[in-house]
Amino acid sequence: EAQVTQNPRYLITVTGKKLTVTCSQNMNHEYMSWYRQDPGLGLRQIYYSMNVEVTDKGDVPEGYKVSRKEKRNFPLILESPSPNQTSLYFCASSPYRAGQETQYFGPGTRLLVL
Amino acid sequence: GQNIDQPTEMTATEGAIVQINCTYQTSGFNGLFWYQQHAGEAPTFLSYNVLDGLEEKGRFSSFLSRSKGYSYLLLKELQMKDSASYLCAVRDTTGANNLFFGTGTRLTVIP
Repeated sequence: EAQVTQNPRYLITVTGKKLTVTCSQNMNHEYMSWYRQDPGLGLRQIYYSMNVEVTDKGDVPEGYKVSRKEKRNFPLILESPSPNQTSLYFCASSPYRAGQETQYFGPGTRLLVL
Repeated sequence: GQNIDQPTEMTATEGAIVQINCTYQTSGFNGLFWYQQHAGEAPTFLSYNVLDGLEEKGRFSSFLSRSKGYSYLLLKELQMKDSASYLCAVRDTTGANNLFFGTGTRLTVIP
């Protein structure tokens, strides 16, 4: 089954404790992206990657890191989480070429930083 | 920069038709997407427009006017399960497949 998976789905942590949210896709997509979703603000892009070893900042990259060592994986790293990073996070993937190819979203990770 | 506007909330009756509008101002345009998102779940793709006009897909249709920076999503024969948020997203022209999302319209279908 073609899908994007994220782990963990739910996470409660404390300020300053490093964490990683994993994202994996099995569709051989070149493009992957991380979003956060907050009430009243919609989906905002954190980082994206157009292929292995190619990453770039989105609209809200502060406090986050990413890596793309393999095509299928695109982990999101919070080196020192803060309460303002409490949010619902989505990973998405798509083929790189523009067209009517949509982005496929993972199920989401709900993060609470105390 | 990107600016995408949608109404925050709408209510409609089961069996009726509802139109959700989206206006956008973007530095580049390479397509407009509509997604459906149930509370706490991932967005799922509904429609794509890149040329002016209407695209129809069953009970859902989407319209685009590039000159007016305007799109709408039309939902016919509303069902209770259509209660969800509807997200308008514009793809830019940077070459990457980046999407910029509006804040979404929460639709409530009432009996």
